[in-house]
Amino acid sequence: EDQVTQSPEALRLQEGESSSLNCSYTVSGLRGLFWYRQDPGKGPEFLFTLYSAGEEKEKERLKATLTKKESFLHITAPKPEDSATYLCAVQALPQGAQKLVFGQGTRLTINP
Amino acid sequence: DARVTQTPRHKVTEMGQEVTMRCQPILGHNTVFWYRQTMMQGLELLAYFRNRAPLDDSGMPKDRFSAEMPDATLATLKIQPSEPRDSAVYFCASGPTGTDTQYFGPGTRLTVL
Repeated sequence: EDQVTQSPEALRLQEGESSSLNCSYTVSGLRGLFWYRQDPGKGPEFLFTLYSAGEEKEKERLKATLTKKESFLHITAPKPEDSATYLCAVQALPQGAQKLVFGQGTRLTINP
Repeated sequence: DARVTQTPRHKVTEMGQEVTMRCQPILGHNTVFWYRQTMMQGLELLAYFRNRAPLDDSGMPKDRFSAEMPDATLATLKIQPSEPRDSAVYFCASGPTGTDTQYFGPGTRLTVL
């Protein structure tokens, strides 16, 4: 069974304090790994898709990386507006099976 | 700015009543997903459609839940009869042909008393 585990469950940082969120996954064959951001009372907002080990994607203060067993979301010099829950999800092979399996998320709080 | 829309945004009902949630996917997207989010279980896929045909509904309790796409601009999720354990936020997402990205709507918060 495909599984995604995110750590930590919650993380509180000071503005400007860089850190990383972890997403460990178990899947029979990885089609893609997705990162979403979710603000309270809203739907998840797409951030990145990673397809192969060694791949990296960046957007503003966020950088996502992928290995064969886990992904990291690095947050550099975060601002209060980066506060949100970050969700990781995997999509398994075969290609065309678009089901996403989500982790429980990491609730990130950035204090000014 | 194209978005997935969902109605209603909030629904409070009594146990045993029928609940219908509606979703309008982004125009041109051919894949539509229904998810449920709770504190305990997180985000779980209930069902999804491609080109209006159901592809996977293994996450959905079959005895009380049903999902349909009457046309390309409308997806519905129906619960009959509703139970308190169905209280959750239900999200619809859509995705375009040829990509794996899913774009989520704002959700319907359902409370069953």
